[in-house]
Amino acid sequence: GAVVSQHPSRVICKSGTSVKIECRSLDFQATTMFWYRQFPKQSLMLMATSNEGSKATYEQGVEKDKFLINHASLTLSTLTVTSAHPEDSSFYICSLYKPGGSYEQYFGPGTRLTVT
Amino acid sequence: RKEVEQDPGPFNVPEGATVAFNCTYSNSASQSFFWYRQDCRKEPKLLMSVYSSGNEDGRFTAQLNRASQYISLLIRDSKLSDSATYLCVVNRGDYKLSFGAGTTVTVRA
Repeated sequence: GAVVSQHPSRVICKSGTSVKIECRSLDFQATTMFWYRQFPKQSLMLMATSNEGSKATYEQGVEKDKFLINHASLTLSTLTVTSAHPEDSSFYICSLYKPGGSYEQYFGPGTRLTVT
Repeated sequence: RKEVEQDPGPFNVPEGATVAFNCTYSNSASQSFFWYRQDCRKEPKLLMSVYSSGNEDGRFTAQLNRASQYISLLIRDSKLSDSATYLCVVNRGDYKLSFGAGTTVTVRA
């Protein structure tokens, strides 16, 4: 069964609005989750590392004030795209790994964001 | 230079054929390597980890060459269901992954 869920799977919003994406760990507690973004025909790019109970760490070039991450519990991380613009349209995917396990990561099914 | 580079393909092969492709990575300190499979508009799914000695999983064989910093994947006896994009993935450390842009394989009947 699924290890990671994401909601919503697809969202269309107007330019200037904010969109929240949820990532849930279904099988185990996850102190760390990762947020990736994938543009068409491009690789997944790590945006940020979500840490339960502390601030997220962002990759170079990713605006922390635009992509707000909240990891409020051991099973839930949220990514909020604030004041979305058409160039933010992308496939957003979260992932996590099982503590004490291998380096294998489990990916959520992704959220396709379209900003009009 | 990109951290992970792959030949984008596409590789169009008939059923039953063997197809192989590589990727290169730039960080010589990388420790863990993987091949993921991604179907159109879906999330990546782990195909196999890649070990230093090379490893096989059914029809799939992965090789790692640390000296040259490249990883290969070979698919034998291709099936229609093997049609997908194959992502070369390298662990940067602290579980952070770097992805190649993917190699597209299409298996035709």
